[in-house]
Amino acid sequence: GAGVSQSPRYKVAKRGQDVALRCDPISGHVSLFWYQQALGQGPEFLTYFQNEAQLDKSGLPSDRFFAERPEGSVSTLKIQRTQQEDSAVYLCASSLGSRFLDRPITQYFGPGTRLTVT
Amino acid sequence: TQLLEQSPQFLSIQEGENLTVYCNSSSVFSSLQWYRQEPGEGPVLLVTVVTGGEVKKLKRLTFQFGDARKDSSLHITAAQPGDTGLYLCAGVTSGGTSYGKLTFGQGTILTVHP
Repeated sequence: GAGVSQSPRYKVAKRGQDVALRCDPISGHVSLFWYQQALGQGPEFLTYFQNEAQLDKSGLPSDRFFAERPEGSVSTLKIQRTQQEDSAVYLCASSLGSRFLDRPITQYFGPGTRLTVT
Repeated sequence: TQLLEQSPQFLSIQEGENLTVYCNSSSVFSSLQWYRQEPGEGPVLLVTVVTGGEVKKLKRLTFQFGDARKDSSLHITAAQPGDTGLYLCAGVTSGGTSYGKLTFGQGTILTVHP
């Protein structure tokens, strides 16, 4: 398909385990965002990539969270030593990006990975 | 910190009724977007409003952006069961290294009963 895909769709981890969540953005999209969505809440920004450069990681909740996009396409969000409070849906979104800073852009979201830490 | 407050958090209505969802911000965003999200899926963009006082219509949905660009509303006329879902407003931050970053409200869960 032509949309954003994420894998796995569901992940159950025992507390203390490391997890890696994958995002395949739409081909050619420059910008990639990760968001965390708690049950019944709106998504919260985690981090932003422009191509392979991580330009904003201000939303990462702790140093246990790490994201990369080494070739400017696929991205991986890694959570080390998972805790129960990490249980949430992790959403990835991509967009074309724009040189015009005042131009609204459309982010296309993947279906998310639901992480449950037991 | 920029915050978006959405109200109501839950809305349960009968088919055919009208409803309004409100989104209020503590500060000005470069633009504001409304999304709809269904269970097991990511949010899908409904509309982007940019100009203060702007009104956009999408079939039975009407979106307004306040004159001061700090508040917005979504009005649905004659709601249908297919409108059921989570409605999210999001402020768009442009400029610098956070271009396109979205700040979401907490969402409104709408249930339309047949």
